[in-house]
Order: sequence, then C-alpha cells, then structure tokens
Amino acid sequence: GIQVEQSPPDLILQEGANSTLRCNFSDSVNNLQWFHQNPWGQLINLFYIPSGTKQNGRLSATTVATERYSLLYISSSQTTDSGVYFCAVFRDDKIIFGKGTRLHILP
Amino acid sequence: DTGVSQNPRHKITKRGQNVTFRCDPISEHNRLYWYRQTLGQGPEFLTYFQNEAQLEKSRLLSDRFSAERPKGSFSTLEIQRTEQGDSAMYLCASSSITTEAFFGQGTRLTVV
Repeated sequence: GIQVEQSPPDLILQEGANSTLRCNFSDSVNNLQWFHQNPWGQLINLFYIPSGTKQNGRLSATTVATERYSLLYISSSQTTDSGVYFCAVFRDDKIIFGKGTRLHILP
Repeated sequence: DTGVSQNPRHKITKRGQNVTFRCDPISEHNRLYWYRQTLGQGPEFLTYFQNEAQLEKSRLLSDRFSAERPKGSFSTLEIQRTEQGDSAMYLCASSSITTEAFFGQGTRLTVV
C-alpha cells in the first residue's frame, strides 16, 4: 500500500520561530489533508490541498503532486501551535495517515 | 449541523466485555470512516462506508469487531470480548465525494 512519511518526527522551537514540516508519499493520490491534533485528541482540519499553495493566517501549505510531497509552513510560532501535525492522503477511498510531526513551541 | 459527533467520549471496560461506540456524521456526507489511534502513532484505517454499504475493512479489524451503518446515517462500531490491546482512541470521520474529511472528537477506550 501507499506509504506516507513525515519529517521531522519531533521539532522544538522558540516562540516566534518559523518551521517547515514535510510529507512525502510513495504513489499518486487523489487528495491530501493536513491536520493538527489538539491535546484532547481531536483532529483539526488545516488544509485540503491536492496541489498548489494555500494560506490561512500564519499557516500555509504547498503540495507538489507530481513530485509526491507536501509542505506545511508555520510562521511566527505561538505556544498554542504545539501539538502533533498529521498529513493524510486520499487513495482508493481510504485516508492514509503519516506518523505525524510533534511540535513543541517554547515560551 | 455542528460536525461529526461521537459517543461516548470515554469508556472504561473490563476485559472480556462488549462495547459499542456511536458516530453521527455531518448530515450531507455519504462517506463514513472508522480509525483507531494508539499512543504516539497516526490514526490507522479500520473500515469505510459509502451510504449504508461497508466497502472496505482493514485486516486490523478482527472478527471481534463489527461496524454498521444501517440507514446510511449514523454508524456503530462494536468490539466483542475486549482485550487490553484494544485500548486506544477510536476516531470517526465523514466526507462527501468532493469534500475534505472531518473527524469527531473520538472515543477513548480503556480495557482493564
């Protein structure tokens, strides 16, 4: 089956720093989503982005489907950005998740 | 519509007991997914419905697990004869063919 790899697995930054999270996938996909999992376990939708670039405030995402990767950018990090970020790809009617990037923003 | 709703939020059960979880999707969504997530891992696919038809089941879904979506609306996930290894967060999501998937808050199962 399709493999979804996220990097880095863990990232520790000072408040105010910028970060880039990467998602590589091993085969073509129908679509791609980025999620933030809050401390209570809920997955919060960030971007639904099969290709191109989208921006929402301090966050933006770029997917290059032909090269099988997506990037999530977080600028001017805040402590509330801490948590786990998941990339998930849509393939054959399933949504396949990576293992996530755990982000710690220090005050 | 306030999103995907899951009940209960938490469930503690003794090993060997049966448990049932409920998921109410976003009303206009015809696709419904169940996932399981253990500590430090990403969500793992369990099963998927399109309307009332269960179209795919993961090999993670042993014969102790059964899922239904009787009228193409809400869904239930039942685990029979629970084992300690079933302890996890169970997540439900819904989508339509052309939209992103939305997840519920999950049901955290603890088997003691």
